Amino acid sequence: KQEVTQIPAALSVPEGENLVLNCSFTDSAIYNLQWFRQDPGKGLTSLLLIQSSQREQTSGRLNASLDKSSGRSTLYIAASQPGDSATYLCAVRNAGNMLTFGGGTRLMVKP
Amino acid sequence: GAVVSQHPSWVICKSGTSVKIECRSLDFQATTMFWYRQFPKQSLMLMATSNEGSKATYEQGVEKDKFLINHASLTLSTLTVTSAHPEDSSFYICSATRDGYEQYFGPGTRLTVT
Repeated sequence: KQEVTQIPAALSVPEGENLVLNCSFTDSAIYNLQWFRQDPGKGLTSLLLIQSSQREQTSGRLNASLDKSSGRSTLYIAASQPGDSATYLCAVRNAGNMLTFGGGTRLMVKP
Repeated sequence: GAVVSQHPSWVICKSGTSVKIECRSLDFQATTMFWYRQFPKQSLMLMATSNEGSKATYEQGVEKDKFLINHASLTLSTLTVTSAHPEDSSFYICSATRDGYEQYFGPGTRLTVT
């Protein structure tokens, strides 16, 4: 059974810092990996989706990498802003279109 | 494109009553819809997968008689929480996929059972 772990569980940084969120998964037979953002009491916003054949994806200040063989992904956020404060969720897709989510990283960017 | 809506966004019901939550794909036909549950400060847990016109597939530990799922059309799935109890209070999120490649998530429904 796939298990997804995110480290750290919570992170507080001053505005302007570059930061890295980590995601690891136990079963490397994935179709893709996706990073989401969730604001309190809200649904999910998809940030980046990396196919199993890809190594990384970039969108603006966000860069996500994938090392499938080692079961790891990182989300890099450059020049963090207070508006980046949210919970970031990593999810992997295995067979059957099922997504398995990590526990999330709660990010606080202080002005 | 690929917008998913949920209704209601927030509902309070009394213990013992039933409540229905709707999930709609607004601009695409969803071959499959998923229902997740999220407790405070926890991640999403898949409850069930539903395909249009067929019975839902429930994850282990999810009571199918308590959480009734109906996927009546390619744009609508409903989750009915029957005989709700306070422990059913949670955030329920649906998602839909049109091609099995990517899931698009709804905004969630917060259920509070008093």
